[in-house]
Amino acid sequence: NAGVTQTPEFQVLKTGQSMTLQCAQDMNHEYMSWYRQDPGMGLRLIHYSVGAGITDQGEVPNGYNVSRSTTEDFPLRLLSAAPSQTSVYFCASSYGATGGTEAFFGQGTRLTVV
Amino acid sequence: GENVEQHPSTLSVQEGDSAVIKCTYSDSASNYFPWYKQELGKRPQLIIDIRSNVGEKKDQRIAVTLNKTAKHFSLHITETQPEDSAVYFCAASPPSGTYKYIFGTGTRLKVLA
Repeated sequence: NAGVTQTPEFQVLKTGQSMTLQCAQDMNHEYMSWYRQDPGMGLRLIHYSVGAGITDQGEVPNGYNVSRSTTEDFPLRLLSAAPSQTSVYFCASSYGATGGTEAFFGQGTRLTVV
Repeated sequence: GENVEQHPSTLSVQEGDSAVIKCTYSDSASNYFPWYKQELGKRPQLIIDIRSNVGEKKDQRIAVTLNKTAKHFSLHITETQPEDSAVYFCAASPPSGTYKYIFGTGTRLKVLA
């Protein structure tokens, strides 16, 4: 059981380039989310999805797009990379139960924009 | 929207001592409060959680308390060990689901041998 898998683990981009961070989960979770982690700022929600075909914005959505065509996959697209997007990105998934359930995180993608 | 404040940002304790990390939240509708531990270079992992209908929960050396009236919750680690050294995050989740965790800014705990 792989859980939540992110690719790539490391990436260096030039300003203005675009790329897609991949996230896949094999736990049949309804909910998936993307967070970015910056020093001293914790984990901030970028976008989230409550099921295939349904996405919405989180706290810091600007500069990012998402789509959810299948239950398993939730890619994050950087449209035109900026140095301010240098961060560690985590994808998470959870079972869609009311009352709160554990979120399972991927191993992270460490992105540097130069 | 929800806002979660976490204190302290860093905490150093001697091995065997207790550590306490505190969080406050703003949205009284939040009803699920997990704590995550993140070791250096690793992914966050759940260590304990509490729901709004419970005041305290304990799991071996780890406990969490919740005060709904004051809108704050705390993580207590007793008999700390070097392997407890990590960054700890609290989070709050609205009733609608845990796809919208709002995290605190983290506490770096150092357990000194």
